[in-house]
Amino acid sequence: DAGVIQSPRHEVTEMGQEVTLRCKPISGHDYLFWYRQTMMRGLELLIYFNNNVPIDDSGMPEDRFSAKMPNASFSTLKIQPSEPRDSAVYFCASSPRQGLFWPQHFGDGTRLSIL
Amino acid sequence: QKEVEQNSGPLSVPEGAIASLNCTYSDRGSQSFFWYRQYSGKSPELIMFIYSNGDKEDGRFTAQLNKASQYVSLLIRDSQPSDSATYLCAVTPRRDTDKLIFGTGTRLQVFP
Repeated sequence: DAGVIQSPRHEVTEMGQEVTLRCKPISGHDYLFWYRQTMMRGLELLIYFNNNVPIDDSGMPEDRFSAKMPNASFSTLKIQPSEPRDSAVYFCASSPRQGLFWPQHFGDGTRLSIL
Repeated sequence: QKEVEQNSGPLSVPEGAIASLNCTYSDRGSQSFFWYRQYSGKSPELIMFIYSNGDKEDGRFTAQLNKASQYVSLLIRDSQPSDSATYLCAVTPRRDTDKLIFGTGTRLQVFP
């Protein structure tokens, strides 16, 4: 079975540019999560969706960040304008059911560098 | 106080020894607990999860949960150099059982 697929794997861009990260969850998974990982703060949940609907975006750092899930097989995380402090590894994860007993499965991540 | 706390390490153990990784959590109502392994430059991968007090064994791995003391641990028996990685503890909080709250991880080094 295909796992969670993220693109691009690496992104290097200049400050002020728009960045779009993409994610395809595992087929049949109802939940999709976006995380950011840095050395200082570890793995932080940014936003998650249930059945394509955003449920909790309290982890989104500021208005420069936005996420969408137009259908069950695709989600985007957008940063506009980007800043050097946004440099991190961004992971997408999906889960088949409510998180209580169902683990999340992670994609390979996007390593983002903002110059 | 962080919701999920882990010692950052590194924890260094010789090959063949038992590695013991610990995690404490602040929300007494937390209900399920996950251990993920993350190799350098890779994504987290699930090792096992536990939701009842006591021990749960899976091969060389044993998860231990003590809800009264609010800690969960992971034991790795017969540690191998390939076990060298960062181990992340994750907790499902009572207030939102859809989520996982992750600790910052413990780096384990197994030396030959």
